[in-house]
Order: sequence, then structure tokens, then C-alpha cells
Amino acid sequence: GENVEQHPSTLSVQEGDSAVIKCTYSDSASNYFPWYKQELGKRPQLIIDIRSNVGEKKDQRIAVTLNKTAKHFSLHITETQPEDSAVYFCAASPYNQGGKLIFGQGTELSVKP
Amino acid sequence: DTEVTQTPKHLVMGMTNKKSLKCEQHMGHRAMYWYKQKAKKPPELMFVYSYEKLSINESVPSRFSPECPNSSLLNLHLHALQPEDSALYLCASSKIQAWEQYFGPGTRLTVT
Repeated sequence: GENVEQHPSTLSVQEGDSAVIKCTYSDSASNYFPWYKQELGKRPQLIIDIRSNVGEKKDQRIAVTLNKTAKHFSLHITETQPEDSAVYFCAASPYNQGGKLIFGQGTELSVKP
Repeated sequence: DTEVTQTPKHLVMGMTNKKSLKCEQHMGHRAMYWYKQKAKKPPELMFVYSYEKLSINESVPSRFSPECPNSSLLNLHLHALQPEDSALYLCASSKIQAWEQYFGPGTRLTVT
């Protein structure tokens, strides 16, 4: 079955710096890759996603890139702000498995003012 | 309404109790999901309903019993739970299966 690995597990950056979180997946049939942000005590919030027919997607300060050949995808946050501090989860959705999401283990991002 | 709501926010129950968790969405989504999340871990899928029919059961113990009475409502009935079942229970919905999933705020369950 699908397996998703996420690195790093913790990431500390200065405000204004960029942050990059990387995920690799094992099932080449996976075709949908969302990223969720979860603040302490809150719900996971979908912040950006990408499908396998696209290589890159951007939304203001966040972007996601997908390399299907290498089976990895990354989240890029530019000009980080303290409110970006949260746990970020990547996920992969295997094709034809009913929308099942396989999550990575999460990255705790801390943005220091 | 663009949100998934869940009640109650917190629930404490004994191992012999029966309780239910409720999830509601009014976005016209036809797929609904139950996830379990332990502290500092990712959500784990439990059940998926598609068009009010159970589509996926991730080999969840029978002490968890899902129900989808209509397209807007999803329940999770709990009976004879164990302390290790204590967790955050998240509901999510999507337009149809394999589309973007939106999560509710969760129910924090403690089993004593």
C-alpha cells in the first residue's frame, strides 16, 4: 500500500525566511497530493493541493511542487510569519481508493519573530 | 455555509457507556469521512461514506459504529470503548470521493 515519508519533523526559521518541507510517496498510482496546516487545538486546514498532471502550483506565499518521476513533492513557504507556526501534514491519495488520504508524519514549523 | 461542524467538542465517557458523535455539513458534499487523531500524529482514516453508503471501513473495531442518516449528517456511535480509544475524532467532507477534503473541528474524546 501507499506510504508517505515527510521531512523534516521539526523546522525552525526566522521571520521572513523561507521554509521547505519535503514528502516522498511509494505508490506511483497516487494522483492527488494535499497539504494541511494544523494549529494547536484546531482542525487540519487544507492550504494547497496538487494533482499529478501538474508540476507546480502557487497561492500567494505558498507553493507546491511535484516530481512524479522521483515520487516526491514539496511545500514552499516564502516570507514566513509567526502565524505560519503550526504542524504541516502532506498526504497522498492513491488512484481508485475512494479518496483515501495517506498522511505523512507531520512537520512542526516554528517561525521566530 | 462553508464549514463542517461537530458536536460535542469534548466528551468524557466510561468504558461501559454508549455515546454518539455528530458531524454536519451544508455544502452539498456527497462524501463524508471519520478520522481518528492521536496527539502529535497524523489523522488516520476510519470510515468513508459516499452518497450515504459506507464505502470504506479501515478494519475499525465494532465498538465504533458509523451511520449516515442523510447527505448532510454523519454520526459515530461509540460503545464499550477502551482507554486507548481516547483521541481527537475528526469528521471531513468532500464534494465527492477523491476531491478536496475539509475537516471539522473535531471531538476530543476521553475514555476513563
